[in-house]
Amino acid sequence: GEDVEQSLFLSVREGDSSVINCTYTDSSSTYLYWYKQEPGAGLQLLTYIFSNMDMKQDQRLTVLLNKKDKHLSLRIADTQTGDSAIYFCAERSGGYQKVTFGTGTKLQVIP
Amino acid sequence: EAGVAQSPRYKIIEKRQSVAFWCNPISGHATLYWYQQILGQGPKLLIQFQNNGVVDDSQLPKDRFSAERLKGVDSTLKIQPAKLEDSAVYLCASSSRGQAGNTIYFGEGSWLTVV
Repeated sequence: GEDVEQSLFLSVREGDSSVINCTYTDSSSTYLYWYKQEPGAGLQLLTYIFSNMDMKQDQRLTVLLNKKDKHLSLRIADTQTGDSAIYFCAERSGGYQKVTFGTGTKLQVIP
Repeated sequence: EAGVAQSPRYKIIEKRQSVAFWCNPISGHATLYWYQQILGQGPKLLIQFQNNGVVDDSQLPKDRFSAERLKGVDSTLKIQPAKLEDSAVYLCASSSRGQAGNTIYFGEGSWLTVV
């Protein structure tokens, strides 16, 4: 079955890089996603990676995928206070392409 | 392009009452999802529709929750009778295989408090 795990909390100083990690169990994943959720708001897609890729860069965001270890990470360069939010990783897998979310990592950016 | 629309945004009900949430997905999106997000947790899939057929409802508490998607467009999620533990945000989302990444797009959510 699908299971997606993340660490609960990360604190970084403004201007530093943040790295948020995620592990998943389903080896048949097709796409993996990173979403951002600010207080009281819905989930906003940040980026996604196809399972046959190992890296994707999008401005300040870098996604690394290690399919062998089923490990996904999101690096945010030059982290800003506006990046403070909860970050969810998610995997799409299975015959009906179900999307399973992780528990979320709360990123706190210290000015 | 209009996003996923949900209503109502907020609802407070007493336990054992009923409530219904409505969702209008992005135009042309064949797949519609209802997720439940309890405070401090990640979204949990309740039900997934492909057009107007259910493809996954394995985590839907069918004794009290029901959902339908008539004509393969709008959807409603109903809870009857509500329990205290149903207090959560109910997120509707939609996706299309034709879009890059087969990405799920979420609505703002319907916040339910059961007292």
